Amino acid sequence: EVQLVQSGAEVKKPGESLKISCKGSGYSFTTYWIGWVRQMPGKGLEWMGIIYPGDSDTRYSPSFQGQVTISADKSITTAYLQWNTLKASDTAMYYCARRGSSSDGFDPWGQGTLVTVSS
Amino acid sequence: SYELTQPPSVSVAPGQTARITCSGDVLPKQYAYWYQQKPGQAPVLVIYRDTERPSGIPERFSGSRSGTTVTLTISGVQAEDEADYYCQSEDSSGTYPVFGGGTKLTVL
Repeated sequence: EVQLVQSGAEVKKPGESLKISCKGSGYSFTTYWIGWVRQMPGKGLEWMGIIYPGDSDTRYSPSFQGQVTISADKSITTAYLQWNTLKASDTAMYYCARRGSSSDGFDPWGQGTLVTVSS
Repeated sequence: SYELTQPPSVSVAPGQTARITCSGDVLPKQYAYWYQQKPGQAPVLVIYRDTERPSGIPERFSGSRSGTTVTLTISGVQAEDEADYYCQSEDSSGTYPVFGGGTKLTVL
């Protein structure tokens, strides 16, 4: 079974750093893209960026470029989303999702990681 | 702002047909995808490449396209279909995925 399992909920203070993870299993991790999607409370889905673990090719939405870092460790089939300086406005649910190519949908999705940033 | 426009809400009685539209100038050039998100759950892909249905998705879900609009049709709507539905395609440059604003489907 193809699965993406994300790390648990986080509560952080503004200015702190954070790295959340997404572990893939049941498929060839290096031959599919992993994307990250933000969902702020009560709002819609926003694509943040995507990485190809096979060669670490990474692309960011212009809205998130410079705000987050996406990486992957193919040896442990895990992708990451990282912030150096969190803000209260980063409070959201973050999902990872697999994509085969630009003509494939995002499928499956991880269960989501809730990040709460509050002083 | 979204490059893909969806109605905020659609309501339908059980057993009837629900149609959720998604409009955007990129749609004649790019595939569209549809996701279902139930409260407290992650999104699930229900339609890909405009009209294809992933394995495990009920046959009552179908997709179609006409010009700059794609439509998700749910025939014989059931109470369990109540959810938010998002369309997705690529941005105008064809470089980045973009989501519509989402449509809340209410089963009356």
